[in-house]
Amino acid sequence: DAEITQSPRHKITETGRQVTLACHQTWNHNNMFWYRQDLGHGLRLIHYSYGVQDTNKGEVSDGYSVSRSNTEDLPLTLESAASSQTSVYFCASSSGGSYNEQFFGPGTRLTVL
Amino acid sequence: SQQGEEDPQALSIQEGENATMNCSYKTSINNLQWYRQNSGRGLVHLILIRSNEREKHSGRLRVTLDTSKKSSSLLITASRAADTASYFCATKTQGGSEKLVFGKGTKLTVNP
Repeated sequence: DAEITQSPRHKITETGRQVTLACHQTWNHNNMFWYRQDLGHGLRLIHYSYGVQDTNKGEVSDGYSVSRSNTEDLPLTLESAASSQTSVYFCASSSGGSYNEQFFGPGTRLTVL
Repeated sequence: SQQGEEDPQALSIQEGENATMNCSYKTSINNLQWYRQNSGRGLVHLILIRSNEREKHSGRLRVTLDTSKKSSSLLITASRAADTASYFCATKTQGGSEKLVFGKGTKLTVNP
């Protein structure tokens, strides 16, 4: 069965370190998205991609970057982790078009000390 | 900025009762979707309603959409303890964007 996976599921890091969160989907979807979820804020879009070599900034992109070298993967990099980036991160993918439901990964809980 | 805003923020009911959650949004939409999130898990798509539709059903779920009021409601009938979760509405705006804008969610607790 097709799926979307994230790794690691839990990560503790220190302020200033570079961190990369992995997202891998086997749906063969063109569209991929990264969100962060914080209490009181719901889901906020960080970055998204509509295909290989395409990346776009979302609502809260400062301090984050993504790259899309193939259809299956969209890694999220925190260039220099800050305590404000402690959050739960979700990756999602969709095929797009009229029925653009998104399929979500299980999430990565990141703690920046 | 949040497009959808769910109401209420939290809802507690007894098993067998109906649960109604509302969502308001600000701009013209292509479609509106509802998602469920169980504690510690990712979101799961429940139902999608297009801007030219007024009502849609899926099992025990009923969704309505009123584009003149920019609002939607999700009704879960005959609720079960397993329905305990957070529910989010998400809107796809008109135009070519594939992005969804999520609300902050309604936390539903169904007591056995």
